[in-house]
Amino acid sequence: EAGVAQSPRYKIIEKRQSVAFWCNPISGHATLYWYQQILGQGPKLLIQFQNNGVVDDSQLPKDRFSAERLKGVDSTLKIQPAKLEDSAVYLCASSHSFRGAKNIQYFGAGTRLSVL
Amino acid sequence: SQQGEEDPQALSIQEGENATMNCSYKTSINNLQWYRQNSGRGLVHLILIRSNEREKHSGRLRVTLDTSKKSSSLLITASRAADTASYFCATETSGSRLTFGEGTQLTVNP
Repeated sequence: EAGVAQSPRYKIIEKRQSVAFWCNPISGHATLYWYQQILGQGPKLLIQFQNNGVVDDSQLPKDRFSAERLKGVDSTLKIQPAKLEDSAVYLCASSHSFRGAKNIQYFGAGTRLSVL
Repeated sequence: SQQGEEDPQALSIQEGENATMNCSYKTSINNLQWYRQNSGRGLVHLILIRSNEREKHSGRLRVTLDTSKKSSSLLITASRAADTASYFCATETSGSRLTFGEGTQLTVNP
């Protein structure tokens, strides 16, 4: 079974530039998550999709972050414009569903973003 | 805000010893999960324990859950150098969001 694919692995940009990350979840997984992980901390949920609908985006800074999940499969996360404090690893995860035992999440390797 | 808090923040042991990590949380949960993260990699699911369960085993892993104290522990027996990683507890509440703690950095010295 192929895992969660993310690209790019690394990205360096200057503040006020824009950046986009891509995620391809495990085939058949209905739920997709984007997390932000700052160095030394645990992952923080940014947005959660069930198929192509948003389940939870309460912690997404909507003035600069946006995400979409086209056709309920691939997803992109965009930051525009980036700030220094956005430097972090952005993790994508997927699961069969979002409750109970089906909420076991499978993570990609992440994209490490450095904002200079 | 973080739901779970791990203790200790860092743990260093010798190969063959047991490692115990603790997690405390604040609100009622549906289940609690433990994940491992190797340096520079994504998280890997280890074990899930439901709120009506008290103990669960998987290989060298033993997880306990005390809902009255709102705490859980992860025990790794006979540790190996390959167990060196960060370990996170994650709680699922009635709202279904999985909330991760800050993690315990485990170092197993050969």
